[in-house]
Amino acid sequence: DIVMTQSPDSLAVSLGERATINCKSSQSVLYSSNNKNYLTWYQQKPGQPPKLLIYWASTRESGVPDRFSGSGSGTDFTLTISSLQAEDVAVYYCQQYYDIPLTFGGGTKVEIK
Amino acid sequence: QVQLVESGGGVVQPGKSLRLSCAASGFTFSTYGMHWVRQAPGKGLEWVAVISYDGNNKYYTDSVKGRFTISRDNSKNTLYLQMNSLRAEDTAVYYCAKRFHPGAGYGDYLDYWGQGTLLTVSS
Repeated sequence: DIVMTQSPDSLAVSLGERATINCKSSQSVLYSSNNKNYLTWYQQKPGQPPKLLIYWASTRESGVPDRFSGSGSGTDFTLTISSLQAEDVAVYYCQQYYDIPLTFGGGTKVEIK
Repeated sequence: QVQLVESGGGVVQPGKSLRLSCAASGFTFSTYGMHWVRQAPGKGLEWVAVISYDGNNKYYTDSVKGRFTISRDNSKNTLYLQMNSLRAEDTAVYYCAKRFHPGAGYGDYLDYWGQGTLLTVSS
């Protein structure tokens, strides 16, 4: 199984400041035949199901604000919130879909400082 | 619009069985593989199982193999998870989720999730 490791477990950021979340996979999730990274990010607010934010490591889902961006390739990935808003308080998960079983990172809780 | 509505959760004793359902609407259910993902209280997300669009192929996480069975009824637009020999560690909110791409394949990002149904396994 591909192990997904997120860091930090939590972070507190001031409104308007940048938040950066890291995700590392135990093996590459880059599929060489199409040069795509099989890595997605979800946002989960309390009492709600996860919401798809980013797929293919860097493609924003329709309707997701452009302050959210994803980057990285191979085994190392980053989710960046460029200017944190109050509504961004949530837990963020990365997930690989390179192989079954799908595996998730442990989550990163983002709070307001 | 796409809707996934889970039901069937509740409190059950260890060793007992329960079946979860997920009613789908707003998309052509029969063309999409579907997943179950669970979340223990206060914990992260754990993938449970996937079924192909036609029901012919199924995969499970190791901890539920031999105990859980994923199935679907495309005529009823409904996904199921039959859970037997339940354990305390199966306590979680169970979400059904739709894979993004139609047709064949299993690994995918999940673009729609239900609100979840809570299963509590306790004596």
